[in-house]
Amino acid sequence: KAGVTQTPRYLIKTRGQQVTLSCSPISGHRSVSWYQQTPGQGLQFLFEYFSETQRNKGNFPGRFSGRQFSNSRSEMNVSTLELGDSALYLCASSSQLAGATGTQYFGPGTRLLVL
Amino acid sequence: GESVGLHLPTLSVQEGDNSIINCAYSNSASDYFIWYKQESGKGPQFIIDIRSNMDKRQGQRVTVLLNKTVKHLSLQIAATQPGDSAVYFCAENTSGTYKYIFGTGTRLKVLA
Repeated sequence: KAGVTQTPRYLIKTRGQQVTLSCSPISGHRSVSWYQQTPGQGLQFLFEYFSETQRNKGNFPGRFSGRQFSNSRSEMNVSTLELGDSALYLCASSSQLAGATGTQYFGPGTRLLVL
Repeated sequence: GESVGLHLPTLSVQEGDNSIINCAYSNSASDYFIWYKQESGKGPQFIIDIRSNMDKRQGQRVTVLLNKTVKHLSLQIAATQPGDSAVYFCAENTSGTYKYIFGTGTRLKVLA
């Protein structure tokens, strides 16, 4: 079974631009979560989707948004990029049933550099 | 932001020795825990998990111990190998919250 895939793997943007990152979960997984990883803050939860519904959101500004499609693929968008948005963005999927906790499996991440 | 185990220690061990990596978690209501391994340039890789109704779980060369009284997790790696060199994270989850809280990690260095 193929793992979680993320595209693109690397991205360079300039301040003020916006970016869209994509994540394809493991086949059969309906829960997709996004995390931001930086050396200073570690792994920080962004949001989680299940069956196209956002069930939880972390403490990030509204510039960070996401969505999930009917095939469970997910995208996250960051608008008006700031230098501090430079990070590794990680996607994780799980076969989490509604209300239950599932094991999260991570993709390789998208490395975003904002200049 | 929220985090578990605010310090990022480095643990250096000799090849063949056992390693113990510790983690203090934040929420007494957390009921599911995972240890991940992250190598440079890669996403976190699942190692082992444990639910709060257990205090010990064993895998291949790894053991996780959970002490709910003091909110402490540990990962024991037997006969540490060079390929075990990585950053290790603990993560906690509370049912119904649909998110994990991660520790800042511990870097494991295996000395030949």
